[in-house]
Amino acid sequence: EIVMTQSPATLSVSPGERATLSCRASQSVSTNLAWYQQKPGQAPRPLIYGASTRATGIPARFSGSGSGTEFTLTISSLQSEDFAVYYCQQYNHWPSVYTFGQGTKLEIK
Amino acid sequence: QVQLQESGPGLVKPSETLSLTCAVSGYSISSTYYWAWIRQPPGKGLEWIGSIYHNGNTYYNPSLKSRVTISLDTSKNQFSLKLSSVTAADTAVYYCASYTGGWMAYWGQGTLVTVSS
Repeated sequence: EIVMTQSPATLSVSPGERATLSCRASQSVSTNLAWYQQKPGQAPRPLIYGASTRATGIPARFSGSGSGTEFTLTISSLQSEDFAVYYCQQYNHWPSVYTFGQGTKLEIK
Repeated sequence: QVQLQESGPGLVKPSETLSLTCAVSGYSISSTYYWAWIRQPPGKGLEWIGSIYHNGNTYYNPSLKSRVTISLDTSKNQFSLKLSSVTAADTAVYYCASYTGGWMAYWGQGTLVTVSS
């Protein structure tokens, strides 16, 4: 089983600043990595797939990078609506198995 | 645009079977999409339960495989989840989702299922 580890668990950043979230896979997943944003009481919203491709309608301030086992989600200039929990998900062996990271909570500093 | 809506009992007794349905609109479940169930215990992260392809092929999380059945109902354009022998650890918000490329492009709003006597 591929284990996804996100860091930090909580990140405190001021509006307008840059946020950098990390996701590490226990073995290579190539670029089969997605990021989701989840706000309280809502379903996850896809942000990034293929490690770096923004999903439809996602603002350019969200960017993803990485390959293999190390991945990063960067939000270039935080807006109030960006404070949420972010999850990474690997799908390297889809359709047979998918695993999510435990999440990073992005909070207002 | 695919739209998904979960429905089913919000309370299930321990040892019984949890049954949920996901109604799909805007797309035929007989076409080339995968249809999935994902759950999230209160205050915790996301767990993939299983998926079904439009041709009926199923894929299950190994940790749940012995208790899970996912099926399609093409006449109603919906798919279903059955999880047997539930315990309190199965209390969660259950989401249905759909995708083509391994990442979950479309999600339902989720439904909370509590396991309690």
